[in-house]
Amino acid sequence: GENVEQHPSTLSVQEGDSAVIKCTYSDSASNYFPWYKQELGKRPQLIIDIRSNVGEKKDQRIAVTLNKTAKHFSLHITETQPEDSAVYFCAAFGGYQKVTFGIGTKLQVIP
Amino acid sequence: EAGVVQSPRYKIIEKKQPVAFWCNPISGHNTLYWYLQNLGQGPELLIRYENEEAVDDSQLPKDRFSAERLKGVDSTLKIQPAELGDSAVYLCASSLQRANTGELFFGEGSRLTVL
Repeated sequence: GENVEQHPSTLSVQEGDSAVIKCTYSDSASNYFPWYKQELGKRPQLIIDIRSNVGEKKDQRIAVTLNKTAKHFSLHITETQPEDSAVYFCAAFGGYQKVTFGIGTKLQVIP
Repeated sequence: EAGVVQSPRYKIIEKKQPVAFWCNPISGHNTLYWYLQNLGQGPELLIRYENEEAVDDSQLPKDRFSAERLKGVDSTLKIQPAELGDSAVYLCASSLQRANTGELFFGEGSRLTVL
């Protein structure tokens, strides 16, 4: 089955700096990679996703890059703001139609 | 449009007691998931339904956990008997497309505490 590794597990940045979270996956058949944001006590919500036929996708301050050869994808948040503080999960939709999540990265943006 | 609705939001029970969680997915979503989320961890799949069929229950501890999705809409997840290690948040999610192409919409979760 699919194995998704995510790091770092915690990340603290100063407001205005950039944050990068990285994930690797094992199933070469995986073809869809979403990122979810989960605020404390709330539901995970999709913030950006990328499909295997694309190398990069941007949405305002958020971008995701995918390297299929190396089997890794990354979330980039620029000009971080306090409201970006949350837990971020990467996920991979694998060849067995199974969604596997990473363990999460707790991002703290320090004002 | 209403999102994924789960109940109860919180449940505290003694070990060995039964507990049930209910999920109402977004209207028209044919795929429904139950996930287990431990504190500080990512969601772990318990079971996935396509309509009323359980297409992936390989991670469901079948000795104590059961689930059903009658008529392919609402779903219930049951634990009987509950153990201390079952304390976690149980998340329900639904999607419109097949698992490898679509966004998952999560409910608020049901937080279980087993004493």
